[in-house]
Amino acid sequence: EPEVTQTPSHQVTQMGQEVILRCVPISNHLYFYWYRQILGQKVEFLVSFYNNEISEKSEIFDDQFSVERPDGSNFTLKIRSTKLEDSAMYFCASKTSTGGYGYTFGSGTRLTVV
Amino acid sequence: GQQLNQSPQSMFIQEGEDVSMNCTSSSIFNTWLWYKQDPGEGPVLLIALYKAGELTSNGRLTAQFGITRKDSFLNISASIPSDVGIYFCAGHENSGGSNYKLTFGKGTLLTVNP
Repeated sequence: EPEVTQTPSHQVTQMGQEVILRCVPISNHLYFYWYRQILGQKVEFLVSFYNNEISEKSEIFDDQFSVERPDGSNFTLKIRSTKLEDSAMYFCASKTSTGGYGYTFGSGTRLTVV
Repeated sequence: GQQLNQSPQSMFIQEGEDVSMNCTSSSIFNTWLWYKQDPGEGPVLLIALYKAGELTSNGRLTAQFGITRKDSFLNISASIPSDVGIYFCAGHENSGGSNYKLTFGKGTLLTVNP
């Protein structure tokens, strides 16, 4: 079954450092997302990406965050200057263009900012 | 942002028992979904509901989209140990657009004692 692949599975970074989280969505999908989940909390929407641009972003997704789809297969989330409160599980997801909302999530990247 | 109230927060049951959990919202959703999350993994879609009143089954799982469009429940019959995990409801408010953003509930942690 097709999968959304995320790397790395776990990243530890110093506060203030830049991190890039990588995702390879399912190949024929057209909608891409990043969600995050702080330990023990609910899954929260960060950003949606369609047709090579951001279609919606949450208030969490401030100037420190950016997304890119550099080469038609990867979808990246960059955090420019990490803060302690950025520590969370970050999930990438993708969706086909046909109807329905049941998109596929990756296994996540656990980001720990120290 | 929109909030989904999911209950109960956690459940401890014996193998073989039935389980019921629900989500409510203060505003109308036009899609309800139920996801399961295993430790260290991303959410996996269990059931998607698209019409008010819809009742859908997936094996031992049954979910319903409330007729007011402000609530949904998930039932699991004859629970087994592998049902252990966190169950999330998720909903989509708008009638289309290019983002298909989901709002998640806080989850129900299910523990099944063999």
